[in-house]
Amino acid sequence: RKEVEQDPGPFNVPEGATVAFNCTYSNSASQSFFWYRQDCRKEPKLLMSVYSSGNEDGRFTAQLNRASQYISLLIRDSKLSDSATYLCVVNRGGGGKLIFGQGTELSVKP
Amino acid sequence: DAGVTQSPTHLIKTRGQQVTLRCSPISGHKSVSWYQQVLGQGPQFIFQYYEKEERGRGNFPDRFSARQFPNYSSELNVNALLLGDSALYLCASSFQGQVQETQYFGPGTRLLVL
Repeated sequence: RKEVEQDPGPFNVPEGATVAFNCTYSNSASQSFFWYRQDCRKEPKLLMSVYSSGNEDGRFTAQLNRASQYISLLIRDSKLSDSATYLCVVNRGGGGKLIFGQGTELSVKP
Repeated sequence: DAGVTQSPTHLIKTRGQQVTLRCSPISGHKSVSWYQQVLGQGPQFIFQYYEKEERGRGNFPDRFSARQFPNYSSELNVNALLLGDSALYLCASSFQGQVQETQYFGPGTRLLVL
């Protein structure tokens, strides 16, 4: 079993749709949590950090449930420019070792 | 300000050869991490360096090695290349490599082993 698991993709949605990504992690010692976005053949870029209290950045909302070891990302009012692969990432401490999920591809259609 | 830079952008090698990849972190960042991303998968951690010391190593064979220089730039070396080493190699920098810090990725080096 992988340490970070995400919904298999791809997700194909129309513009304006709301889409949710789910992620689970297996190591309860995980200390910090992130969503990164990766465009085709580009490097990953930080979308947002995820906090236990939940956090929102415009159309994006991230939630963390430490008890269930579950992380989510909600995108509201999807735009064509949201098309990318979304990577769930955890850091279980001891420095900068990020553990990535396999990624979920999102395709937003007109 | 310049972001993380990596060189070369693309590389083609044959099995058994050796390769050196280079990374320059964001100015002021002292920690560099290396990741390997094969097609269809998320990046996988290889090494982390902070102040020229190895802070962490992932589950990679000894053919993989790295170092960090006094100016905080870094090199990743891979010896005796295998076909399975074909991947995107990503370098990430952060200020001190602490668990809460954001890591900023460079554009990567695409390595193809024939």
